[in-house]
Amino acid sequence: DAGITQSPRYKITETGRQVTLMCHQTWSHSYMFWYRQDLGHGLRLIYYSAAADITDKGEVPDGYVVSRSKTENFPLTLESATRSQTSVYFCASSDGGAYGYTFGSGTRLTVV
Amino acid sequence: AQTVTQSQPEMSVQEAETVTLSCTYDTSESDYYLFWYKQPPSRQMILVIRQEAYKQQNATENRFSVNFQKAAKSFSLKISDSQLGDAAMYFCAYTFGFGNEKLTFGTGTRLTIIP
Repeated sequence: DAGITQSPRYKITETGRQVTLMCHQTWSHSYMFWYRQDLGHGLRLIYYSAAADITDKGEVPDGYVVSRSKTENFPLTLESATRSQTSVYFCASSDGGAYGYTFGSGTRLTVV
Repeated sequence: AQTVTQSQPEMSVQEAETVTLSCTYDTSESDYYLFWYKQPPSRQMILVIRQEAYKQQNATENRFSVNFQKAAKSFSLKISDSQLGDAAMYFCAYTFGFGNEKLTFGTGTRLTIIP
């Protein structure tokens, strides 16, 4: 029982390419989130989802696309990768603040 | 918008000593949730402690405790009897909950344990 799984763990891609980061949770949590972690900024919210087919922008959504056709999956797509999107990306899930949040192990993405 | 501020980018403490990490936040809500997360070099985000704002009692988890000052909007983390395994980045985080479940993080404090 992995809980929440992110893949890949590491990814190197070229500027302009499309890349998708995967996130899968086995908890059936309603809420799912994508964060990026950068030195000096902490974790910043990219997109989140309150349920299947319901998504909304976070603090830094530009250049990213999400979808959530099934409760357990929440992929994040960089449509045309830029060097500024080099970061560590975390997926998280929750049934609400009262219950806490579970994080994946992160994806380190490098755009060259 | 809610903000979370950690004013100490780095801290260090002697092994077995006590250290306090600071966190302040800004919200207009009266009920909400606060968290401290630990991120060791493995990159995994580990929940250290959680506080519900409507509870007056400060949360504790073994060697970890918080000093929650609601009026001052302060939520500091105290680590007692520091151990080498406590070395990590520590993030303070806030969520309103009640349907608005976005988690807002501070910028983190890197804690070094001196043997």
